[in-house]
Amino acid sequence: DIVVTQSPDSLAVSLGERATINCKSSQSVLYSSNKKNYLAWYQQKPGQPPRLLIHWASTRESGVPDRFSGSGSGTDFTLTISSLQAEDVAVYYCQQYYRLYSFGQGTKLEIK
Amino acid sequence: EVQLVESGGNLVLPGGSLRLSCAASGFTFSSYEMNWVRQAPGKGLEWVSYISNSGGAIYYADSVKGRFTISRDNAKNSLYLQMNSLRAEDTAVYYCAREGDDDQFDYWGQGTLVTVSS
Repeated sequence: DIVVTQSPDSLAVSLGERATINCKSSQSVLYSSNKKNYLAWYQQKPGQPPRLLIHWASTRESGVPDRFSGSGSGTDFTLTISSLQAEDVAVYYCQQYYRLYSFGQGTKLEIK
Repeated sequence: EVQLVESGGNLVLPGGSLRLSCAASGFTFSSYEMNWVRQAPGKGLEWVSYISNSGGAIYYADSVKGRFTISRDNAKNSLYLQMNSLRAEDTAVYYCAREGDDDQFDYWGQGTLVTVSS
């Protein structure tokens, strides 16, 4: 099984500042045949289902603000929010879908 | 508009059974793989089960293998999760999620709450 670990567990950032969340998988999620990383990021606000933000590690979904970006390859990935807005307060999850599926434990993002 | 609506959640005794449903609309259900994901109160997301578009391929998390059964009825645009031998640790909100063209979980339902308690 692929274990996915996020850091930190929680994060407080001032409005307008950069927020960075890390995600590490226990084995590579880079598929050699298509050079794609099978890694997605989701945002979940209280009382709501998760919302897909990014897949293939760096492909932003339609409608997702461009302040959200994903990077990384192989086993190490990062979600960056370039300028934190109040509506970005949420729990963020990364997920590998290289071999079945597994989620990180989540990172709670708050306003400092 | 893609919509996924779960139902069937309830309070059930340990050892009991429950069947969840997920009604899909706004897309060609028979063309998409589907999943169940759960979230225990105050906890993170846990993938539960996968079913291919035809139902020919099925996978389960180890935590539910042998107790849960996923199925679908493409004629009724519906996904199901039969849960048997329920345990307290199965208490969670259960979401159905569509698997998009690139295998990401692109649409989620609002979830249905299953509580296993005596």
